[in-house]
Amino acid sequence: AQTVTQSQPEMSVQEAETVTLSCTYDTSESDYYLFWYKQPPSRQMILVIRQEAYKQQNATENRFSVNFQKAAKSFSLKISDSQLGDAAMYFCAYRSDRDDKIIFGKGTRLHILP
Amino acid sequence: GAVVSQHPSWVICKSGTSVKIECRSLDFQATTMFWYRQFPKQSLMLMATSNEGSKATYEQGVEKDKFLINHASLTLSTLTVTSAHPEDSSFYICSARAVYEQFFGPGTRLTVL
Repeated sequence: AQTVTQSQPEMSVQEAETVTLSCTYDTSESDYYLFWYKQPPSRQMILVIRQEAYKQQNATENRFSVNFQKAAKSFSLKISDSQLGDAAMYFCAYRSDRDDKIIFGKGTRLHILP
Repeated sequence: GAVVSQHPSWVICKSGTSVKIECRSLDFQATTMFWYRQFPKQSLMLMATSNEGSKATYEQGVEKDKFLINHASLTLSTLTVTSAHPEDSSFYICSARAVYEQFFGPGTRLTVL
């Protein structure tokens, strides 16, 4: 069975600084998708970034980028120029290409210090 | 992006009663919807996969007789918590599968007294 592990329950970063959230996963499949979701206090799940496993190039969305290491099964999220609005719970997630089930990690709560 | 709504956004009920939660895809058709449960300060746990026109597929450990799922149309799935008890109190989130990704509803907070 696939698993997603986030080893940092909480992190803090100074506003305008850069922070990296860690995520590792375990799977025996070769085709899959990885995601980072943001859950603010409203609890609405917001897709931050998506990575297809077959793509070697790391995905980037404005201030958000990932470091995808397929062999190491690692998928970290880097947030540059952190803003107060980035404060939220961040979930790393995995979806097999075989079915649509999304498996979430336990999450990392990110605090932004003014 | 596509919009998924949930109704109600919160509900309080007495122990032993049943509660229905609706999940709608507002601007797209979704043959597959998913129901998640989230306890405070915890992650989302997949409860079941809802397929239009067929029976839902439940994850291991989820009581199918307690959590009834009906996917009656391409835009609506419902979750009914039957004979609710205080331990069923939680945040329930649905998602709907579009072509390339899933979109999440805003969630429903259920409190059972």
